Amino acid sequence: EPEVTQTPSHQVTQMGQEVILRCVPISNHLYFYWYRQILGQKVEFLVSFYNNEISEKSEIFDDQFSVERPDGSNFTLKIRSTKLEDSAMYFCASSASRATDTQYFGPGTRLTVL
Amino acid sequence: ILNVEQSPQSLHVQEGDSTNFTCSFPSSNFYALHWYRWETAKSPEALFVMTLNGDEKKKGRISATLNTKEGYSYLYIKGSQPEDSATYLCASPGGGNKLVFGAGTILRVKS
Repeated sequence: EPEVTQTPSHQVTQMGQEVILRCVPISNHLYFYWYRQILGQKVEFLVSFYNNEISEKSEIFDDQFSVERPDGSNFTLKIRSTKLEDSAMYFCASSASRATDTQYFGPGTRLTVL
Repeated sequence: ILNVEQSPQSLHVQEGDSTNFTCSFPSSNFYALHWYRWETAKSPEALFVMTLNGDEKKKGRISATLNTKEGYSYLYIKGSQPEDSATYLCASPGGGNKLVFGAGTILRVKS
């Protein structure tokens, strides 16, 4: 069964460093998402991506964040200058169509900023 | 701002017990309700997407109902097994395609 994959599973970085989180969505899906969960809090939406551009972003997704689909398979989230409060589990998801369609999630990348 | 609430926060049951938990959401501008099952270190697994008032969906021993007029959905597990232990998340689209999640219900099934 097709699945969303994410690498790395864990990432430890120093405050101020850049990190890139990678995702391979399900191949025939058109909509791509990043969510995160800070420990003890709800899963929260960061950004959605469709037709090679951002379709929606949350207040969290400021200038320090960017997303890219550099080729036909990968979808990346970059944090330019990490902060302590960026420590969280980051989930990638993809769906075939809009909000009534299932969003399939990857296993997440646990980011720890020291 | 859409707010999705889940109760209880956690639940401990014995193997063989049936259990249920609740997801509450605003009844106005309802679009869909998603249920996920999430085991630690694994991907959240999609269980159901429900859209119509009165919807009932079933997957094995797990079923869900939807009441859009009063703004709630129930998830039922019949004859709980240790492998059902997980966090159960519900989510609703908050405008556009983004999902707004509840805090989850942690289920622990003791053998």
